[in-house]
Amino acid sequence: DAGITQSPRHKVTETGTPVTLRCHQTENHRYMYWYRQDPGHGLRLIHYSYGVKDTDKGEVSDGYSVSRSKTEDFLLTLESATSSQTSVYFCAIRGDNEQFFGPGTRLTVL
Amino acid sequence: GQNIDQPTEMTATEGAIVQINCTYQTSGFNGLFWYQQHAGEAPTFLSYNVLDGLEEKGRFSSFLSRSKGYSYLLLKELQMKDSASYLCAVRDLVVAGTALIFGKGTTLSVSS
Repeated sequence: DAGITQSPRHKVTETGTPVTLRCHQTENHRYMYWYRQDPGHGLRLIHYSYGVKDTDKGEVSDGYSVSRSKTEDFLLTLESATSSQTSVYFCAIRGDNEQFFGPGTRLTVL
Repeated sequence: GQNIDQPTEMTATEGAIVQINCTYQTSGFNGLFWYQQHAGEAPTFLSYNVLDGLEEKGRFSSFLSRSKGYSYLLLKELQMKDSASYLCAVRDLVVAGTALIFGKGTTLSVSS
């Protein structure tokens, strides 16, 4: 257990509403990541952070923003959710070399 | 490019050995990783290779050839609980910094 939690674990929302997913870690890791996982696509990087207030875009960043005001928290925001953002979202932290994943958030946008 | 290719599905019998192959193309290779993911769960780390050769860890081994852009995960003495998806991932410092780029995964079904 790498001390990563995600909230909420499940969410159903409507198109056009804002949604924020939270990733919390207890081990003071510098690097944190947000991925989404969809059938036929595997895990794809949305955004990542290399320190407080230091973030960068990943492969599928359109429609998403992130913030990291504290080492332990990395927030992913969908400003206006769309049905194409229905997915399972995983947060991860970097250990010595490997990444450890949180339990995931299943988001459904109707 | 960062193409990562692995077979979509494989089947095997309990007690057997199975090899899952992964080929990749990267700009700034900095390590290859294998993860296991059971349905409805998060991926869990299995192995890491950055130099050529074989890394053995219990029933699981992983091999890397950087010159060929090739890796495999070898699972021995298969058990029913090994039924899962196996994800190959690379770290490409040029394309994605410290993040990992994943293949689409190989679903392994183990039958008795």
